[in-house]
Amino acid sequence: EDQVTQSPEALRLQEGESSSLNCSYTVSGLRGLFWYRQDPGKGPEFLFTLYSAGEEKEKERLKATLTKKESFLHITAPKPEDSATYLCAVQGAPGYGQNFVFGPGTRLSVLP
Amino acid sequence: DTEVTQTPKHLVMGMTNKKSLKCEQHMGHRAMYWYKQKAKKPPELMFVYSYEKLSINESVPSRFSPECPNSSLLNLHLHALQPEDSALYLCASSQEPHTSGQFFGPGTRLTVL
Repeated sequence: EDQVTQSPEALRLQEGESSSLNCSYTVSGLRGLFWYRQDPGKGPEFLFTLYSAGEEKEKERLKATLTKKESFLHITAPKPEDSATYLCAVQGAPGYGQNFVFGPGTRLSVLP
Repeated sequence: DTEVTQTPKHLVMGMTNKKSLKCEQHMGHRAMYWYKQKAKKPPELMFVYSYEKLSINESVPSRFSPECPNSSLLNLHLHALQPEDSALYLCASSQEPHTSGQFFGPGTRLTVL
């Protein structure tokens, strides 16, 4: 069965302290890996899609990378407004178990 | 317009009531989704509509009934719900099914008494 795990479960950073979040996956026929940010009580906000190993995407202080087994979301010099839950999700090939599944998320707190 | 809108924002219903959740997008997206999210858990996929046809039903109980009247609208009809169905219900849309990033609405907070 397709699985997505994320680590750490929670992360507290000082403002400006760079770090990385991990998303590990096992899926048959990866069609895409997605990163989202979710603030409490709101819908997830789409950040990136990665399709193949070696691919990288950047947006402001965020950079997402992908290997054959995991993805990293690097946060450079974070600010308090980056505090949120970061979710990754994978889309497997239709017909190979669950089609689209989210990981449990990493709760990021950035302290001023 | 780059928004997915959902109505109502909050809904309280009894176990014998019938109600509907509504979702709308005007981005020309061809896939629309319903998710259920419990507190401190990730969203769980319920239904996927692809080009206005139901393509995925993740073994959701029949008391939840989706409907896609046209390419911009998605409804979720609720009947005879249980208290454990209380959750945040999220609608999303994407350019294409399966391979495009999904854009989410703000959700409907549902409480079943």
